[in-house]
Amino acid sequence: DQQVKQNSPSLSVQEGRISILNCDYTNSMFDYFLWYKKYPAEGPTFLISISSIKDKNEDGRFTVFLNKSAKHLSLHIVPSQPGDSAVYFCAASAHANQFYFGTGTSLTVIP
Amino acid sequence: DTAVSQTPKYLVTQMGNDKSIKCEQNLGHDTMYWYKQDSKKFLKIMFSYNNKELIINETVPNRFSPKSPDKAHLNLHINSLELGDSAVYFCASSQDASGYEQYFGPGTRLTVT
Repeated sequence: DQQVKQNSPSLSVQEGRISILNCDYTNSMFDYFLWYKKYPAEGPTFLISISSIKDKNEDGRFTVFLNKSAKHLSLHIVPSQPGDSAVYFCAASAHANQFYFGTGTSLTVIP
Repeated sequence: DTAVSQTPKYLVTQMGNDKSIKCEQNLGHDTMYWYKQDSKKFLKIMFSYNNKELIINETVPNRFSPKSPDKAHLNLHINSLELGDSAVYFCASSQDASGYEQYFGPGTRLTVT
């Protein structure tokens, strides 16, 4: 049973525009969420996180928004750059240590 | 200087064989993990060790046996390989058992023929 879903397998965005990647979850007990970025032939790398006590967390060009009532989070990248082209995974945890991952969204930023 | 390394990077083997994948982290982290990414790109945790002690053991066939000789190493041994074991296996580590901000290895692509 997939508790974390990323329903868009791919997304293309023009350089300089905003990229919005979405993630939905089903378990209302999830209280911590992370985004990872993955380049081909490499492991995922941590990007940004948010706990359920917040609804927004920002780090440079990356902002994560959490809507607990909708069980939805999104990652905004602005402005998008060609180097952002990668697969983005969201992950969620109901308690420490065990994280459930989505299937990823492949972002292509077109120069 | 690689933080989390895995060997081998690629592994092609026949059904019924036994194989091992090794993982090492030089970050001084207490907790290590094994994940499996299947053909649908679904990344799922298999095991987690904290200070050499098993703390997460998801529903994984008994043919899979993790071994942690020390805090910096977590190896995965697979017996009697099956076609369905073909996947990319990722090792990861985190500072502590909270699991926040995990550092992943580059993955091992296992193909069972």
